Amino acid sequence: DQQVKQNSPSLSVQEGRISILNCDYTNSMFDYFLWYKKYPAEGPTFLISISSIKDKNEDGRFTVFLNKSAKHLSLHIVPSQPGDSAVYFCAASAASGTYKYIFGTGTRLKVLA
Amino acid sequence: DVKVTQSSRYLVKRTGEKVFLECVQDMDHENMFWYRQDPGLGLRLIYFSYDVKMKEKGDIPEGYSVSREKKERFSLILESASTNQTSMYLCATFTLGTAYGYTFGSGTRLTVV
Repeated sequence: DQQVKQNSPSLSVQEGRISILNCDYTNSMFDYFLWYKKYPAEGPTFLISISSIKDKNEDGRFTVFLNKSAKHLSLHIVPSQPGDSAVYFCAASAASGTYKYIFGTGTRLKVLA
Repeated sequence: DVKVTQSSRYLVKRTGEKVFLECVQDMDHENMFWYRQDPGLGLRLIYFSYDVKMKEKGDIPEGYSVSREKKERFSLILESASTNQTSMYLCATFTLGTAYGYTFGSGTRLTVV
């Protein structure tokens, strides 16, 4: 049973527009969430995180929103750039201070120039 | 910054071969992980180790084993490679108490023919 789902396997967005990547989870005990970006032939790199005590975290062009009641988080990239084209994974943990994370299936973002 | 190094970027092996994937980290971290990434399935945990000679099965350990004789090195072993083990393999460490969690290696793209 997939506890963390990214229902859109791919997304295409024009350069300069907003990219919105979604992640849904089923376990209400999840309290810390991470987003990673992965280029082909490279390992994933950390992008942004959010704790369940917040509903928003922002870092430059990247903002993550958390809706606990809906068990939904989203990553917004504004403005999107061609270099943002990558696969994005969300990951969730049910215990802060632990390394036990569940990863989503990933969304491939393509930003069109 | 933690550096995680995977010895091979690309490997091609024959069915039935015993395959060793090596991973080295340079920051004395206790926790090390092996994941595989497949399209549509995301990152799936194969094994992890929380100390030298200590290991735990992840979600998909079948057909794999691991070795952790030294803290900095974590090896993934495919006892008898099969075509369904063709995948991208990612090694990682995890830093507790930080926002970013995992540090991944660059990955090994393994093809079993």
